[in-house]
Amino acid sequence: KQEVTQIPAALSVPEGENLVLNCSFTDSAIYNLQWFRQDPGKGLTSLLLIQSSQREQTSGRLNASLDKSSGRSTLYIAASQPGDSATYLCAVTNSGNTPLVFGKGTRLSVIA
Amino acid sequence: DAGVIQSPRHEVTEMGQEVTLRCKPISGHNSLFWYRQTMMRGLELLIYFNNNVPIDDSGMPEDRFSAKMPNASFSTLKIQPSEPRDSAVYFCASSLQGLAPDTQYFGPGTRLTVL
Repeated sequence: KQEVTQIPAALSVPEGENLVLNCSFTDSAIYNLQWFRQDPGKGLTSLLLIQSSQREQTSGRLNASLDKSSGRSTLYIAASQPGDSATYLCAVTNSGNTPLVFGKGTRLSVIA
Repeated sequence: DAGVIQSPRHEVTEMGQEVTLRCKPISGHNSLFWYRQTMMRGLELLIYFNNNVPIDDSGMPEDRFSAKMPNASFSTLKIQPSEPRDSAVYFCASSLQGLAPDTQYFGPGTRLTVL
């Protein structure tokens, strides 16, 4: 059974700092991995999707990497801003037609 | 497109009452997912449908929970009778399977409180 772990559970950083969020998964036979953002009281917004054949994806100040063999992914946020404060969730799926398995998320606070 | 629509956004009910949550997926999407989010357990899949057919309901907690998808544009999640431990945020998501890359689009959720 696939399990996804995110460390740390919470992180507080000063504005402008670069930071890394970690995600690990137990079954390396994944189809894809996604990073989502969740604001308080809101739904999830997909940030980046990495297919199993890819090593990384970039969108603006965000860069997500994938190392299937070690069962790890990282989300790198450059030059953090207070508006980046949210919970970031990592999720994997083991095939194109199976649902996502989520980690419990990392709650990020960027202090101005 | 309006995105995934869920109703109601908030529901407060008393133990033993029936609760019905509703979801309208994005037009053209052929997969629909119901998730439940709690502080203790995070986001968990309850059930998902492909082309209106339930594919995996192994995440449904017990017989008190049931879900239907009568057509491609509507799904319901029903809890009868409700219990305080059902209090959570329930999310509906939809996606278009068969194309890559595919991602799930989430609705805003229904926050359920059972007293």
